[in-house]
Amino acid sequence: GENVEQHPSTLSVQEGDSAVIKCTYSDSASNYFPWYKQELGKRPQLIIDIRSNVGEKKDQRIAVTLNKTAKHFSLHITETQPEDSAVYFCAASKKGRYSTLTFGKGTMLLVSP
Amino acid sequence: DARVTQTPRHKVTEMGQEVTMRCQPILGHNTVFWYRQTMMQGLELLAYFRNRAPLDDSGMPKDRFSAEMPDATLATLKIQPSEPRDSAVYFCASGLVQNTEAFFGQGTRLTVV
Repeated sequence: GENVEQHPSTLSVQEGDSAVIKCTYSDSASNYFPWYKQELGKRPQLIIDIRSNVGEKKDQRIAVTLNKTAKHFSLHITETQPEDSAVYFCAASKKGRYSTLTFGKGTMLLVSP
Repeated sequence: DARVTQTPRHKVTEMGQEVTMRCQPILGHNTVFWYRQTMMQGLELLAYFRNRAPLDDSGMPKDRFSAEMPDATLATLKIQPSEPRDSAVYFCASGLVQNTEAFFGQGTRLTVV
């Protein structure tokens, strides 16, 4: 089955800095890569996703890049703010009857004022 | 604002007792997932339903866990007998179709003493 590795497990930055979280996946058939943000005590919520037919996608201060050849994708947050502090999860899935979302183990991002 | 609803939100039970967690997926969604979240393992897939049919429960300890969808508006996850190592947050998520965004419920925080 699919295996998703996520790094780093924790990341501390100063407000205004950029943050980058990286994930690799094992199944070359995976074609959908969402990122979820989970604030303390809350549910994971989708913040951005990318499909394998594009290499980059942006939404205001967040962007995701995908390298299909290397089987890795990254989340970039620019101009970080304290409210960006949360756990971020990457995930991968593919088409098919038995397709499920496989998550990385998460990155705890702490943005200090 | 359509949401996945899980009950109960919190459950404390004694070892050996039966625990039943319930999930109401978003109306019209045909995929349902059960995930278990712990600090050590992150989000682990326990079960996956599509059109109410169980397609993947390979991540679920079969001797004590069971998952069902008696109808399109209710998914259940049962643990019998419960053990302290089952203490975790259990999330239900639903999706409109496979290989797209999964919407998470608020989770059930289970503590087995």
